[in-house]
Amino acid sequence: DQQVKQNSPSLSVQEGRISILNCDYTNSMFDYFLWYKKYPAEGPTFLISISSIKDKNEDGRFTVFLNKSAKHLSLHIVPSQPGDSAVYFCAVMARGKLIFGQGTELSVKP
Amino acid sequence: DAGITQSPRHKVTETGTPVTLRCHQTENHRYMYWYRQDPGHGLRLIHYSYGVKDTDKGEVSDGYSVSRSKTEDFLLTLESATSSQTSVYFCATSGAHEQYFGPGTRLTVT
Repeated sequence: DQQVKQNSPSLSVQEGRISILNCDYTNSMFDYFLWYKKYPAEGPTFLISISSIKDKNEDGRFTVFLNKSAKHLSLHIVPSQPGDSAVYFCAVMARGKLIFGQGTELSVKP
Repeated sequence: DAGITQSPRHKVTETGTPVTLRCHQTENHRYMYWYRQDPGHGLRLIHYSYGVKDTDKGEVSDGYSVSRSKTEDFLLTLESATSSQTSVYFCATSGAHEQYFGPGTRLTVT
């Protein structure tokens, strides 16, 4: 049973537009959420995180939104750039361990 | 970025042979993790360690064992490799919430 779900395997966006990546989770007790970015042939790199006491966290072009009542997490990238093309994983912290979603492959077209 | 290296980076082995993958870190992080990444599954936790000689199982631990005799090294052993263990393996370390990943090992079991 998948506790963290990314229902869109892929997303294609035009350069300069907004990219919105979504993530749903099942357990309302999860209290820390993260996004990772992965390029081919490299390990995932930490991008941004949010604690359950907040509903928004911003870092430059990247903003993470948390809707606890809906158990939904989203990552907004504005404006999108071709270098943002990668696989994005959401993850939740559960008892000191991370549980990852399946990933969404973002393609930003010039 | 945490200094994390993995060896080997690529390996092809035959079914039934034992295989050991090595993870080395220079950050003196207490926690270390082994994941596998497969299409449609994201990253799944195999085993983790919360200190020297202290290890525990993750979500997909069957067929794998680990050892940690020094803070900086975490070994993953496939006791008798099977084709279902063909995957990309990532090591990670953490000091707090965020985990930092190594570059990965691509393992093919023929």
